[in-house]
Amino acid sequence: GQQLNQSPQSMFIQEGEDVSMNCTSSSIFNTWLWYKQDPGEGPVLLIALYKAGELTSNGRLTAQFGITRKDSFLNISASIPSDVGIYFCAGQLAGAQKLVFGQGTRLTINP
Amino acid sequence: DTAVSQTPKYLVTQMGNDKSIKCEQNLGHDTMYWYKQDSKKFLKIMFSYNNKELIINETVPNRFSPKSPDKAHLNLHINSLELGDSAVYFCASSLRVGIQYFGAGTRLSVL
Repeated sequence: GQQLNQSPQSMFIQEGEDVSMNCTSSSIFNTWLWYKQDPGEGPVLLIALYKAGELTSNGRLTAQFGITRKDSFLNISASIPSDVGIYFCAGQLAGAQKLVFGQGTRLTINP
Repeated sequence: DTAVSQTPKYLVTQMGNDKSIKCEQNLGHDTMYWYKQDSKKFLKIMFSYNNKELIINETVPNRFSPKSPDKAHLNLHINSLELGDSAVYFCASSLRVGIQYFGAGTRLSVL
């Protein structure tokens, strides 16, 4: 089935550092979403992107919809302990009735 | 108020048993989903219903049977449970394809 390649798979950083992760695909997507999953909880939407080139921020988080519509990235600035979790990208293909999820990026922060 | 609620949160059972997981959403959404998250945290869609009609049925063993009595509820019944069914099952809902709201998950352990 359709897959999204999300990288890195895991990150170990110091508190205060910036974080960057991305998702790529060989297919063109109409929508890109970024979710965060805390331990023992379900994924929660962080940012939604609908247009190629769109750059959207949510507090310290910034995400972009790639110009080619085949990729997206998420940046977190000045990381804090509560940023720990698993971040998922998800994309919707044109005409599709479902989302395709990336494999997730597990973020660990050393205080 | 919990937007998407699943019960039970934890389910421990023996191989061969039959069990059900319930999901309810109070967001007024038309579409509901069931996902399976394995030990590597990969999210895989299983089923989707739109207004009580099945619209997505991925390659899932027919031991899994979803039922949607109304558009606010989507239940998942699993017959003859197997060890490989152990996972976290997430219910989600959306107004349209794209932004999905997830429940907190049901952690199923088959012994």
